[in-house]
Amino acid sequence: QSALTQPASVSGSPGQSITISCTGTSSDVGSYNLVSWYQQHPGKAPKLMIYEVSKRPSGVSNRFSGSKSGNTASLTISGLQAEDEADYYCCSYAGSSTSHVVFGGGTKLTVL
Amino acid sequence: EVQLVESGGGLVQPGRSLRLSCAASGFTFDDYAMHWVRQAPGKGLEWVSGISWNSGSIGYADSVKGRFTISRDNAKNSLYLQMNSLRAEDTALYYCAKDSVKWVAARSFDYWGQGTLVTVSS
Repeated sequence: QSALTQPASVSGSPGQSITISCTGTSSDVGSYNLVSWYQQHPGKAPKLMIYEVSKRPSGVSNRFSGSKSGNTASLTISGLQAEDEADYYCCSYAGSSTSHVVFGGGTKLTVL
Repeated sequence: EVQLVESGGGLVQPGRSLRLSCAASGFTFDDYAMHWVRQAPGKGLEWVSGISWNSGSIGYADSVKGRFTISRDNAKNSLYLQMNSLRAEDTALYYCAKDSVKWVAARSFDYWGQGTLVTVSS
């Protein structure tokens, strides 16, 4: 099972908005609304930011939003803040006939 | 408070075995699927394996299939990963993660442990 494709890095200035894409296939992202996004700061465990494509867990800022079109999911962060600088990973269910779960390669977000 | 505490990592020679454990608390363990996710040094996250609430559904990444075995003991609120025939490329921080549903669906990994480091080297 190939990893989902994410840009290696994105950047933005405080207050701006950025979008991170996550491209899969019709066997994973395109088939299931089970795309989630995780934020990871250096030396820390990943933190759930978005699940089921666009739902936010309790406690996650509404500056974070998710969407999906076809085989590509997206994470948008609006009103960028310094603390948003981190690595972001997408994840998708891929069905029980395959390896079940696939992650993206990760995107390093730099807040300029 | 949900807690996931991994243990069992360490330095092991190629070809040898290691068993990881994850002790869970703060939630009804047998209501949820559980997963192992690893992260090689300086690399991204890689899903390793998942197990449903009743051990009836199990999945593995192709990279570990046939070498690793996931299991759980609901009476002990514990998750395990038996790793055999270890290779250098298995070197990583291994995280235990809780799913938010009973089945291996990766709906959301809503809680993670801090990880246990496995180093495979001669």
